[in-house]
Amino acid sequence: RKEVEQDPGPFNVPEGATVAFNCTYSNSASQSFFWYRQDCRKEPKLLMSVYSSGNEDGRFTAQLNRASQYISLLIRDSKLSDSATYLCVVNSPPHSNSGYALNFGKGTSLLVTP
Amino acid sequence: DAGVIQSPRHEVTEMGQEVTLRCKPISGHDYLFWYRQTMMRGLELLIYFNNNVPIDDSGMPEDRFSAKMPNASFSTLKIQPSEPRDSAVYFCASSLASRWTGSAREQYFGPGTRLTVT
Repeated sequence: RKEVEQDPGPFNVPEGATVAFNCTYSNSASQSFFWYRQDCRKEPKLLMSVYSSGNEDGRFTAQLNRASQYISLLIRDSKLSDSATYLCVVNSPPHSNSGYALNFGKGTSLLVTP
Repeated sequence: DAGVIQSPRHEVTEMGQEVTLRCKPISGHDYLFWYRQTMMRGLELLIYFNNNVPIDDSGMPEDRFSAKMPNASFSTLKIQPSEPRDSAVYFCASSLASRWTGSAREQYFGPGTRLTVT
């Protein structure tokens, strides 16, 4: 079982729509959660961290459900510029006392159309 | 501020040749990571360093791959000999140390090196 699983999509939505992405993770000891955005042929860039109480950044809302090991990202009022691949990222406390390894999901592709 | 810098941006080489990828992390960052990304496997962690010391290299595919970090501002990933299946985008990323044990800070990625081995 992969450590981080996402629906690959693609999600095709019209401008102005609301779209939600989901992600599950397998390591119950994980403590750090992020959403990254990756544009075609570019590097991944941090979109937002995900906090236990849920957090919002403009049109983007992230939620974490530790009991279900589930993370979500909601994008409201989609823009054409939101078209990208969204990567769910979870840290993986390993064998050592360091939790710095990050596990990246394979990403969910979003295409926002006019 | 300069972000993570990688070179070369593109590399095309023939099977059997040695390839060296270079990375300069963000100044002041304690951690440096090397990743490989392919369509099939997504983003895979190869190795990471803390204060120039390799911490976990379990993701390194095989002995043909090696990585070094001689100082806080420079790291290399070497493939010798290269094979066509090594074709991928190789990313370097860096981060600050976490505030508490078992957690991780956000990582900042370089633009990547697109490697093609023919």
